[in-house]
Amino acid sequence: GAVVSQHPSRVICKSGTSVKIECRSLDFQATTMFWYRQFPKQSLMLMATSNEGSKATYEQGVEKDKFLINHASLTLSTLTVTSAHPEDSSFYICSAARGGHTGELFFGEGSRLTVL
Amino acid sequence: AQKVTQAQTEISVVEKEDVTLDCVYETRDTTYYLFWYKQPPSGELVFLIRRNSFDEQNEISGRYSWNFQKSTSSFNFTITASQVVDSAVYFCALSEGYDSWGKLQFGAGTQVVVTP
Repeated sequence: GAVVSQHPSRVICKSGTSVKIECRSLDFQATTMFWYRQFPKQSLMLMATSNEGSKATYEQGVEKDKFLINHASLTLSTLTVTSAHPEDSSFYICSAARGGHTGELFFGEGSRLTVL
Repeated sequence: AQKVTQAQTEISVVEKEDVTLDCVYETRDTTYYLFWYKQPPSGELVFLIRRNSFDEQNEISGRYSWNFQKSTSSFNFTITASQVVDSAVYFCALSEGYDSWGKLQFGAGTQVVVTP
């Protein structure tokens, strides 16, 4: 079964609203999680590194005020897309490493966001 | 600059044919990790293999095999006797350096279409 789970798997929202996506490590603690974004028929791009108990580290070009990341516990990271617009419609995927450094990497099932 | 290049956008084969997916990477680190993932239409990433830079041994797993050549910075993937269920997008990815563990840089992906 899945060891990293995302919720919701699909979400449709109106433009201007905020959407929260959860990423949970189910049977291990993850001090670091990663968030990726995938536009249709494109590759996955790393958005940010989520660090438990501290601020997330964002990749160049990713708006931190737009994509709020909170890693409040060792098993949960959340990505909030604030004031979503149609161009934010995408597939968002998280990952976490079990066993720490160079541990096995697990990806969540992904969350498909559609902004109307 | 693109660190992982998958030059083949799409490969179409007839069932039982072999298919080889190319992956060329670029890094200055001596320690790095290479991955292959399969992404079926459902969107979930399926882990196929991970290889570290110090292990150039080729690997075979059932119908799958990988050829890692540091001299040409390539990590190619072959599916032998392809089946319709192999139809998916395949991504090659790179994790550079010890401190960047878990931060994957994905190639553009190769769409494999296997027809009966």
